[in-house]
Amino acid sequence: QVHLQESGPGLVEPSQTLSLTCAVSGGSIGSSNAYWSWIRQPAGKEPEWIGRIYPSGSATYNPSLKNRVTMSVDTSKNQFSLRLTSVTAADTAVYYCARGQGGGNPRKNWFDPWGQGTLVTVSS
Amino acid sequence: QSVLAQPPSVSGAPGQRVTISCMGTSSNIGAGYDVNWYQRLPGAAPKLLIFGDTNRPSGVPDRFSGSKSGTTAFLAITGLQPEDEAEYFCQSCDSALSDSWVFGGGTKLTVL
Repeated sequence: QVHLQESGPGLVEPSQTLSLTCAVSGGSIGSSNAYWSWIRQPAGKEPEWIGRIYPSGSATYNPSLKNRVTMSVDTSKNQFSLRLTSVTAADTAVYYCARGQGGGNPRKNWFDPWGQGTLVTVSS
Repeated sequence: QSVLAQPPSVSGAPGQRVTISCMGTSSNIGAGYDVNWYQRLPGAAPKLLIFGDTNRPSGVPDRFSGSKSGTTAFLAITGLQPEDEAEYFCQSCDSALSDSWVFGGGTKLTVL
């Protein structure tokens, strides 16, 4: 049973960089056809997909965020990470990591499992 | 305004049937792209409930079912139980957003 756990600072100052890590347990991050994603949900709004990364390191980002987002994967530590630069209050949200499944066609993909989520607040 | 529109709340008594809608457009659900549903219990991680429009992962009771018609997908829950009280949200892919994944705003189910 794969389990995901997010970690990182809960408070980030405006204009700084948000950095989060997702630890994968119960399975190898590189052992399947899955990929790994970050999803965030601001309070009172719908979830927003941030990006995905394959164990190879190949990443795809949401066009609305791609200028500020970098994802990386560390197969030796069985974890993957998110960096979001130049944050503002609009980046305040619960950030989730999740495993994407369903093959190479994004139109037939789903997310399972998800991490518990971690609240990141952007404030001085 | 969410790309996928869901009612903010629904309610039903134990044993009843409720349906939650997820209205999309011609660039996502209407294009035939898969719809997935998730359940988020208070304080818990979101859990996959339905994938590929109608499929239940192992362990999900058959009280939960998914369907789709035109630009709208539906999640039906029969035989409501108190533990079904949670937030439910839908997800699909959108070709107008470079095949980004999009989500509904979520529907809070209250079991009366």
